[in-house]
Amino acid sequence: AQSVAQPEDQVNVAEGNPLTVKCTYSVSGNPYLFWYVQYPNRGLQFLLKYITGDNLVKGSYGFEAEFNKSQTSFHLKKPSALVSDSALYFCAVRDIDSNYQLIWGAGTKLIIKP
Amino acid sequence: DTEVTQTPKHLVMGMTNKKSLKCEQHMGHRAMYWYKQKAKKPPELMFVYSYEKLSINESVPSRFSPECPNSSLLNLHLHALQPEDSALYLCASSQASEQYFGPGTRLTVT
Repeated sequence: AQSVAQPEDQVNVAEGNPLTVKCTYSVSGNPYLFWYVQYPNRGLQFLLKYITGDNLVKGSYGFEAEFNKSQTSFHLKKPSALVSDSALYFCAVRDIDSNYQLIWGAGTKLIIKP
Repeated sequence: DTEVTQTPKHLVMGMTNKKSLKCEQHMGHRAMYWYKQKAKKPPELMFVYSYEKLSINESVPSRFSPECPNSSLLNLHLHALQPEDSALYLCASSQASEQYFGPGTRLTVT
């Protein structure tokens, strides 16, 4: 069965420190992987995606993610966290049987403390 | 421009009311989606339209009725909703792999 796991419900990071939000997946074949961010009372914003190519993907707002096929992971990273990065982050993988359906992780709340 | 707009931002309706949610995108995207999201949970897919035709209906109750009048517009007609239908309703569109979401309509059913 296809699935996405975000093992941490919440991640706390001090402002200026590097941050990592973890995501692992289980799909057969080559995955299409995505990260989205949701600020309070807002819709989801697309951050970045991995489809093929370089394992390090750069996205919006200084975020990047590293695709690791052997570990089936796609962790989101940022070298220096900002208080404004505090939000809910979702990892998703496209269902291999559909061009439209995404399989979502449960979400990780990121809190950046000043 | 990757903007998807939704109206209204907030909606309060009784269980006997009929209301509609609207979504618009001008990016030329071929697919449009309706999602339901409960607080702090991932969005749940409800409907997908591809080239203005209903492609996916995730066994959504008939009190939710989608409509795609043209390639830029998507409506969700609501009738006889239940309190448990209270949620954030998100519209999204896509052309390639990633989906772009609107800000959502916060629906409260009383």
